[in-house]
Amino acid sequence: DAGVTQSPTHLIKTRGQQVTLRCSPKSGHDTVSWYQQALGQGPQFIFQYYEEEERQRGNFPDRFSGHQFPNYSSELNVNALLLGDSALYLCASSLGAGIQETQYFGPGTRLLVL
Amino acid sequence: GESVGLHLPTLSVQEGDNSIINCAYSNSASDYFIWYKQESGKGPQFIIDIRSNMDKRQGQRVTVLLNKTVKHLSLQIAATQPGDSAVYFCAENTGTASKLTFGTGTRLQVTL
Repeated sequence: DAGVTQSPTHLIKTRGQQVTLRCSPKSGHDTVSWYQQALGQGPQFIFQYYEEEERQRGNFPDRFSGHQFPNYSSELNVNALLLGDSALYLCASSLGAGIQETQYFGPGTRLLVL
Repeated sequence: GESVGLHLPTLSVQEGDNSIINCAYSNSASDYFIWYKQESGKGPQFIIDIRSNMDKRQGQRVTVLLNKTVKHLSLQIAATQPGDSAVYFCAENTGTASKLTFGTGTRLQVTL
């Protein structure tokens, strides 16, 4: 049973650049949520995708955007990178977008913005 | 606004002892709570969850207690092992959103 996978594992970018992170959900899951985890803090919700649409969004600027594909995989795009965007980006998958569906996390992509 | 917090940033316990990690939440509308374990360099790993219509739920070596009166959640780990060393997060779902709200975490250190 394949778990949540993310790529790349690490990434270094410079300010102003754009980045795309990828996520494949756990087998059988159709909902993907993205979180940002700054060093020493808990994950912060960015947005959630279900049926190829953004269903919910946290307090993140429009520089953060995403996409979900028909096979349920997802991408997170961040434009005009800032130093403060350096963080671990986590993808979580679940079955359905219900409020009590367990979310399972991938290993994350660590982004460093210089 | 909603928030989830933890009382202790670091907890040190001896191998074999029981561990108790506490969490306070402020949103009385929250009705689903989850504990995650995060080891260094890894994503959060689901441990156990509890719904607001329950006071207690047990898993393998872990028990979660929910006190809705004081909005408090705890995770008990029996016979703590070195492999339990990690950061533990409690997270909540509010009634109308499936997003998870996390606290800052408690680091559990298991000493031999």
